[in-house]
Amino acid sequence: AQKITQTQPGMFVQEKEAVTLDCTYDTSDPSYGLFWYKQPSSGEMIFLIYQGSYDQQNATEGRYSLNFQKARKSANLVISASQLGDSAMYFCAMREGQVNAGKSTFGDGTTLTVKP
Amino acid sequence: DSGVTQTPKHLITATGQRVTLRCSPRSGDLSVYWYQQSLDQGLQFLIQYYNGEERAKGNILERFSAQQFPDLHSELNLSSLELGDSALYFCASSAEDRSTDTQYFGPGTRLTVL
Repeated sequence: AQKITQTQPGMFVQEKEAVTLDCTYDTSDPSYGLFWYKQPSSGEMIFLIYQGSYDQQNATEGRYSLNFQKARKSANLVISASQLGDSAMYFCAMREGQVNAGKSTFGDGTTLTVKP
Repeated sequence: DSGVTQTPKHLITATGQRVTLRCSPRSGDLSVYWYQQSLDQGLQFLIQYYNGEERAKGNILERFSAQQFPDLHSELNLSSLELGDSALYFCASSAEDRSTDTQYFGPGTRLTVL
């Protein structure tokens, strides 16, 4: 089974609107971390947001928030007030095990296009 | 700029050859990770080093090896190269933090095997 599933290969959103990128994960380890990264066409990987499995509150970083539903094993990324510069590939990733001690698995990514 | 540096930026070589990719982590980060990104396999974790010691291993081929030196920079050695090794190779680093191990990625080395 896939450890990280991103079911939306491509998404479109109108500038200034909010968009949700889906991510579901599969693990039996009680300790894990979930990450979202952005990869623009230039190729670099940019960290966006992190959620630990024991964190009680959903993570937020500026216009990014992570909708963490532990029972459903989902970690959707919400981008508010989309900007043209948000057009990129977005990857969901999971680290299983303790902090700094486990390997990370990445999903296949979602390509987001922001329309003017 | 993440603070992680990788050299070279581009590398073109032939099948059967050996190459070395170099990574310098962010100042103070003890962990270094290597990833391979290709069109057919996506982003694959290869290996993690922490303060010179191997800490986690992923889908790293036997033809590939890595090490982390006392100054914390790391090298990924790829030998007996095949066409399928053509990919973008990322290095990432993370701090020793009890609450998160967010990895900050370098700009990558694009390897082309002809």
